[in-house]
Amino acid sequence: DQQVKQNSPSLSVQEGRISILNCDYTNSMFDYFLWYKKYPAEGPTFLISISSIKDKNEDGRFTVFLNKSAKHLSLHIVPSQPGDSAVYFCAASAWLGTASKLTFGTGTRLQVTL
Amino acid sequence: SAVISQKPSRDICQRGTSLTIQCQVDSQVTMMFWYRQQPGQSLTLIATANQGSEATYESGFVIDKFPISRPNLTFSTLTVSNMSPEDSSIYLCSVSAAGNQPQHFGDGTRLSIL
Repeated sequence: DQQVKQNSPSLSVQEGRISILNCDYTNSMFDYFLWYKKYPAEGPTFLISISSIKDKNEDGRFTVFLNKSAKHLSLHIVPSQPGDSAVYFCAASAWLGTASKLTFGTGTRLQVTL
Repeated sequence: SAVISQKPSRDICQRGTSLTIQCQVDSQVTMMFWYRQQPGQSLTLIATANQGSEATYESGFVIDKFPISRPNLTFSTLTVSNMSPEDSSIYLCSVSAAGNQPQHFGDGTRLSIL
């Protein structure tokens, strides 16, 4: 049962354009969402997060949008740069009072071309 | 964020043997986790490493196969026991400063079993 889904395994975008990565979830208990970037032979690097009480969070070139009614979130990267080429994972968690475990999507490989 | 060191970075092991992976953090952290990423798949939580008590395992993972230690707030080990080719994966340690905070990952241990 895949509770967090990234339906696009890959995405190619031209340098300077916008990259939009999408993520859907099924568990209505999720209340905190994160995006990670992963380069080969490295661990995932935290990018940006959003709480369920917000619908948008912005950090420099990265913006995450959350649509709770649709159980959908997206990561926008503007402008895209060649160094953004990596695998992007969305993750979700449900606050358990003392800790929250992450459930990851399957990842989207972003390639930014010159 | 914390600096996380994992050892070894990679290993090739024989079927039936065991390997212990170490995770060292440069500062005290509340939460430590162990994940597995099988080839072509997403990250799956194995267990939460609890300081001073037994780890909390996710469904499908058992202590006999993946014993975990966490003797203090900066160090944890994961042992993969009686390995088979199906255990070939990347094993990742992650840490969180407190509760519902972003997790930060080590670079992982790439394990191959012959």
